[in-house]
Amino acid sequence: TQLLEQSPQFLSIQEGENLTVYCNSSSVFSSLQWYRQEPGEGPVLLVTVVTGGEVKKLKRLTFQFGDARKDSSLHITAAQPGDTGLYLCAGPNNDMRFGAGTRLTVKP
Amino acid sequence: KAGVTQTPRYLIKTRGQQVTLSCSPISGHRSVSWYQQTPGQGLQFLFEYFSETQRNKGNFPGRFSGRQFSNSRSEMNVSTLELGDSALYLCASSSSLHGYTFGSGTRLTVV
Repeated sequence: TQLLEQSPQFLSIQEGENLTVYCNSSSVFSSLQWYRQEPGEGPVLLVTVVTGGEVKKLKRLTFQFGDARKDSSLHITAAQPGDTGLYLCAGPNNDMRFGAGTRLTVKP
Repeated sequence: KAGVTQTPRYLIKTRGQQVTLSCSPISGHRSVSWYQQTPGQGLQFLFEYFSETQRNKGNFPGRFSGRQFSNSRSEMNVSTLELGDSALYLCASSSSLHGYTFGSGTRLTVV
């Protein structure tokens, strides 16, 4: 069982659509991070959320940290083919633990 | 500012052999963590080094080992390779638990 559960596992949408992916845990985290990974490369840090209820915007990406600091969501507005990739959430638990990821495909 | 450098990018080894992978972290970062990534298991934590000391270790057999040098460069070694060790091995450096910078990884194929 993963400490961080991500859903959905796969998501395929058309360019211009909106989407939300989720990261849930039964544990409380001091912070959560979101990464995007493209094939053959390492994950790249998108954002770190630290405060319960925090909302951070990065252009068309909106990240939210749950009030209880057990969950987070990533919302993408007007998705583009360049958003295609594996989205991973991660949180510190002695070491940094990663969810299994959401594989997003945005079709032109 | 140079990123995290992992060498080699690709490796093909035979079962039973051993392999050493290298990671040079971002200058000034003293923490280096290693992960194994496979399609079925996702990113699995191997170990973390800080100032030449292993700070945390994941749930991997003793065939997996690592070390860190005084210049923060790190190596990981896998002995007696098995087919199941085929994976992308990722190294990450950090200065805090608020974010990792990953290298591009070493793709290991065991045949």
